[in-house]
Amino acid sequence: EPEVTQTPSHQVTQMGQEVILRCVPISNHLYFYWYRQILGQKVEFLVSFYNNEISEKSEIFDDQFSVERPDGSNFTLKIRSTKLEDSAMYFCAIQNRASYNEQFFGPGTRLTVL
Amino acid sequence: GENVEQHPSTLSVQEGDSAVIKCTYSDSASNYFPWYKQELGKRPQLIIDIRSNVGEKKDQRIAVTLNKTAKHFSLHITETQPEDSAVYFCAAVNQFYFGTGTSLTVIP
Repeated sequence: EPEVTQTPSHQVTQMGQEVILRCVPISNHLYFYWYRQILGQKVEFLVSFYNNEISEKSEIFDDQFSVERPDGSNFTLKIRSTKLEDSAMYFCAIQNRASYNEQFFGPGTRLTVL
Repeated sequence: GENVEQHPSTLSVQEGDSAVIKCTYSDSASNYFPWYKQELGKRPQLIIDIRSNVGEKKDQRIAVTLNKTAKHFSLHITETQPEDSAVYFCAAVNQFYFGTGTSLTVIP
């Protein structure tokens, strides 16, 4: 199973502050995804990223969100001005070149907005 | 977009009994249907999946069936064990749309 790590594991921030969540795949992957899971709710798709650009995004992924792969390895999710309702677990997922459709999730970052 | 419905939302079974979780989807273009298990405080983990050209797939105590005509697919867990207790999510792909989750509790 492909490995992926996320940092930080827990981020506490004040409302209105910017946060950057990081995803580090261990090996080379084709697609990257960000998902959000509000406590007790289902996993929600945010955005997919392929070939260094966004391929799909959901209605949740508004102008406050952005993604990039700044150094060709780390995959980041930035929230420009956090709101209370952004508090959730954020999961990165990767799709292995050899595993069509199978997505493997990172351990997640718990974001708490105060 | 896709709409994935999952039932039941909670399920309690006695150890050793079977558990069945059902999902329906709306987008006929979906062609890949994974199931994820999420233990408390942990990430979703892929446990089994099925592609659109397959009707049934088994892996030891778990199996998934797919009816593309009716647009529904099901997860079957036989001989349940306490460690099967978790939240189970189905998904339908093109894009990943998750079901609302089923909290399974296996009573020893």
